[in-house]
Amino acid sequence: DAGVIQSPRHEVTEMGQEVTLRCKPISGHDYLFWYRQTMMRGLELLIYFNNNVPIDDSGMPEDRFSAKMPNASFSTLKIQPSEPRDSAVYFCASSLGQGAPNEQFFGPGTRLTVL
Amino acid sequence: GQQLNQSPQSMFIQEGEDVSMNCTSSSIFNTWLWYKQDPGEGPVLLIALYKAGELTSNGRLTAQFGITRKDSFLNISASIPSDVGIYFCAGLDAGNNRKLIWGLGTSLAVNP
Repeated sequence: DAGVIQSPRHEVTEMGQEVTLRCKPISGHDYLFWYRQTMMRGLELLIYFNNNVPIDDSGMPEDRFSAKMPNASFSTLKIQPSEPRDSAVYFCASSLGQGAPNEQFFGPGTRLTVL
Repeated sequence: GQQLNQSPQSMFIQEGEDVSMNCTSSSIFNTWLWYKQDPGEGPVLLIALYKAGELTSNGRLTAQFGITRKDSFLNISASIPSDVGIYFCAGLDAGNNRKLIWGLGTSLAVNP
């Protein structure tokens, strides 16, 4: 089975531009998580969804960030407008709703550079 | 946000040596997870622990859920060069069903 798929793997953009990151979770997983990873702060949870519904977005840094999950197989994280401090690696992860619900499986990440 | 205390921050060892790392929390956890991250990749789940005192192995890796429920340990026996990477602990406290709390990682380097 395919794991979590993220695109693009790398994104370089200029300050002020809109950035959209994409994620396809593992089929059958009910939970989807968006993380940001930096050297200084480590892994930070931005938002997570259960059955396509946002449950907790308290980690979203500010209004410039938004996330959607229109269906069970697709989610986006959008930054508008982007700023240099948004440069980081963004991970998407998914997990089951039952069985071993706390075991999160990560995608390969999107490395974002904002100039 | 809340983070776990993970130590050591980094380790440089000789191939064949055993490795130990640990995580501690100020609150009680009901789940401990250990992940490994290779450069340019996402974290990969190594071991999951769900009961206090639980000891679980995955090949040369062994992890334990501390009796106090506030700590966990990961041991790697007979290290090999492919063990190089960053190891993260993550835990779940009783109040957060899905929001894992993460350590800052232990960077492991293995000298062949």
